[in-house]
Amino acid sequence: DAGITQSPRHKVTETGTPVTLRCHQTENHRYMYWYRQDPGHGLRLIHYSYGVKDTDKGEVSDGYSVSRSKTEDFLLTLESATSSQTSVYFCAISEGQGPYEQYFGPGTRLTVT
Amino acid sequence: KNEVEQSPQNLTAQEGEFITINCSYSVGISALHWLQQHPGGGIVSLFMLSSGKKKHGRLIATINIQEKHSSLHITASHPRDSAVYICAVTSNFGNEKLTFGTGTRLTIIP
Repeated sequence: DAGITQSPRHKVTETGTPVTLRCHQTENHRYMYWYRQDPGHGLRLIHYSYGVKDTDKGEVSDGYSVSRSKTEDFLLTLESATSSQTSVYFCAISEGQGPYEQYFGPGTRLTVT
Repeated sequence: KNEVEQSPQNLTAQEGEFITINCSYSVGISALHWLQQHPGGGIVSLFMLSSGKKKHGRLIATINIQEKHSSLHITASHPRDSAVYICAVTSNFGNEKLTFGTGTRLTIIP
């Protein structure tokens, strides 16, 4: 299994509070991704990174920011959490862009009350 | 944007049956992925293919590029195959990000 961990695995927070989710990899892969998974939707890309300090937006980036200061860590921040951000968040990594396999972390279940 | 459709959305079968899950997409791709997600669990990559057929144990994935269609087959299904199977594609234009289907929930009854 690819060495990907996410923390925390579960979190309950209140509307308006900031939340940071962490993804850590031991594979030295260049690309890292944050997705959210909601019932009735496929996985949707929030943000991705193609190197240290190099990030770009995905299709559902509003309300989220990311940072990558080291190859192994990719942080997802909800500046002011809303109930619509209640979801399961998955981190993924890949060696390259395009036709490369992606390896997924175990997920973080976030509930915003 | 590539549209990815999976069918059926839900499938229940008896142990031992041959299973087929279908995936169709709307525009050209550089690769198609099949992923598996067990209840409450993480997501595991089963196959990545761009042509022909791949086999791993009891799982077979095929793709028809001209028809923009892929199938995932499971032979001699077992209750441990119960999971959500997700199709995803990497388009061969634009930003080459994965576009995911909504998944097929498979339940195998002993």
